[in-house]
Amino acid sequence: EAGVAQSPRYKIIEKRQSVAFWCNPISGHATLYWYQQILGQGPKLLIQFQNNGVVDDSQLPKDRFSAERLKGVDSTLKIQPAKLEDSAVYLCASSLGYSGNTIYFGEGSWLTVV
Amino acid sequence: QQPVQSPQAVILREGEDAVINCSSSKALYSVHWYRQKHGEAPVFLMILLKGGEQKGHEKISASFNEKKQQSSLYLTASQLSYSGTYFCGTEIGGGSEKLVFGKGTKLTVNP
Repeated sequence: EAGVAQSPRYKIIEKRQSVAFWCNPISGHATLYWYQQILGQGPKLLIQFQNNGVVDDSQLPKDRFSAERLKGVDSTLKIQPAKLEDSAVYLCASSLGYSGNTIYFGEGSWLTVV
Repeated sequence: QQPVQSPQAVILREGEDAVINCSSSKALYSVHWYRQKHGEAPVFLMILLKGGEQKGHEKISASFNEKKQQSSLYLTASQLSYSGTYFCGTEIGGGSEKLVFGKGTKLTVNP
């Protein structure tokens, strides 16, 4: 079974530029998550989708971050304009979509803002 | 709402045991344990649902004390491959599917 796919793996941009990350969840997984992990910390939830609807985006900095999940499958996370403090690993994860179910993570997209 | 993990770091010699704790101030529906190696994605270890059940996976097991809202991860006869950072993720209330992660416990196993 294919895992959660993410791209690009690595990205270096200058502050105030924009960047987009793509995620393809495990087939059949209704719930998709985007987490931000700053070096030395635990993952922090940015946004959670159930199919193509947003369940929780309370910690998404909406003035610069946006995410969409068209057709309830793939998802894109965009940052515009980027700040230095956005340097982190952006982890996409997916699950079948009910409580107590395993959440599987992708390998992450490493962002460095200079 | 973020669970508290302890200790922050552990250094072991191969073959020694370790316990990592995760506690929450909120009533928990489930606790998820992950291990992450440097530069890699978190890898799922196990889930514990409310009810105090204990689970095991080879030499790694965990318990969930519903009354204390606390989970413990037990690593016995540690191997070099156990090195990494362990995170607990807690789910509050059935139906949310939202995991909030602790800050992690860095485990180093030396020969």
